[in-house]
Amino acid sequence: DIVMTQSPLSLTVTLGEPASISCRSSQSLLYSQGINSLDWYLQKPGQSPQLLIYLGSNRASGVPDRFSGSVSGTDFTLKISRVEAEDVGVYYCMQVLQTPWTFGQGTKVEIK
Amino acid sequence: EVQLSDSGGGLVQPGGSLRLSCAASGFTFNNYLMTWVRQAPGEGLEWVSTISGSGDNTYYADSVKGRFTISRDNSKNTVYLHMSSLRAEDTALYYCASYRSGSNYRGLAYWGQGTLVTVSS
Repeated sequence: DIVMTQSPLSLTVTLGEPASISCRSSQSLLYSQGINSLDWYLQKPGQSPQLLIYLGSNRASGVPDRFSGSVSGTDFTLKISRVEAEDVGVYYCMQVLQTPWTFGQGTKVEIK
Repeated sequence: EVQLSDSGGGLVQPGGSLRLSCAASGFTFNNYLMTWVRQAPGEGLEWVSTISGSGDNTYYADSVKGRFTISRDNSKNTVYLHMSSLRAEDTALYYCASYRSGSNYRGLAYWGQGTLVTVSS
């Protein structure tokens, strides 16, 4: 199974400041033609997960442009350019290269 | 508007069975693969099972293989998760989600609200 390792597991940020979450996969998630099979999801308190980024760096429909995803080898990064109050929750990366799909442990983001 | 509505959860004794349902609307159901993801209390997300649009192909996590069966009825726009030989560790909130495969993949854009399964005597 592909192991996904997120860091940090907890993050306290100041409103308006940037934030960054890392996710490392135990093997390459390259599918084809430079496509990385990794998504990012946010689970707000008491809600179902919601899609933020798919295939490494593609922002999902309706997701604010302060969210961005990048890739360097097996290291994936989710960046929030300016954190807003509505961004609190737990962020998960998930690989979709092969079954079993696997998630990172989650990163809990809180506001300072 | 796309909607996924999970149902069928409840309290069941160890060794018992349960069938979850996920009713879909707002999209061409048989063009989408459907997947179940669960979340144990206070824990992270765990992929459980996926079924292709036609229903011909199914995939399972090792933790549920042989005990859970995923199926779909495209005439009813509904996907099911038949769970048997339930264990305490199957206690979780179960979510269904939909996606398209291959070059049409755009992530798990739609999720149900979740249905809670509690396995306890």
